[in-house]
Amino acid sequence: DGGITQSPKYLFRKEGQNVTLSCEQNLNHDAMYWYRQDPGQGLRLIYYSQIVNDFQKGDIAEGYSVSREKKESFPLTVTSAQKNPTAFYLCASSTLRQGENQPQHFGDGTRLSIL
Amino acid sequence: AQSVAQPEDQVNVAEGNPLTVKCTYSVSGNPYLFWYVQYPNRGLQFLLKYITGDNLVKGSYGFEAEFNKSQTSFHLKKPSALVSDSALYFCAVSLWGTDKLIFGTGTRLQVFP
Repeated sequence: DGGITQSPKYLFRKEGQNVTLSCEQNLNHDAMYWYRQDPGQGLRLIYYSQIVNDFQKGDIAEGYSVSREKKESFPLTVTSAQKNPTAFYLCASSTLRQGENQPQHFGDGTRLSIL
Repeated sequence: AQSVAQPEDQVNVAEGNPLTVKCTYSVSGNPYLFWYVQYPNRGLQFLLKYITGDNLVKGSYGFEAEFNKSQTSFHLKKPSALVSDSALYFCAVSLWGTDKLIFGTGTRLQVFP
């Protein structure tokens, strides 16, 4: 079955440590997204990418970095510069079709906590 | 700036009764509107979308939503609620030509037996 796989499901970070969250999709989607979900705040866009080797900052990119070396993969690194990283992180993907915004498909998330 | 408002943090309804989850939006242009549902510790699942055309949109699991341009609203409805509908519901908006979604803060639906 096609879908989006996020790993790990739970992740713990020590102070000063960078951690990388994995996101893989086999839907052949062009666009991929990373969101952060905090209670009562909905989803906020961190980074997005519409094509391989290109990505754009979202609304809360500070303290995060991404890469898009392959169409299927869009890993997110939470750096030590992100002072409040505890959150639920969601990856999504969608096709890009001119004139009709397509729904985004979501993975099941990674819950990141600070040790 | 584009924004989405979900004025109710929680909606409680008895099983078998109709339910409504409210959403209003503010955009400078023609909106594309979406509803998603999230179960605990899971990602979001797409329910339905409005692009153009009929103001009443039908989606998954018996849900529907009504687009009202004059009131800038896109309320989610279901004629008869099920306990299994209990979840967190998100409204989202995007503009034509962009694939970025702006989400509301979510409404928790609790259906009681």
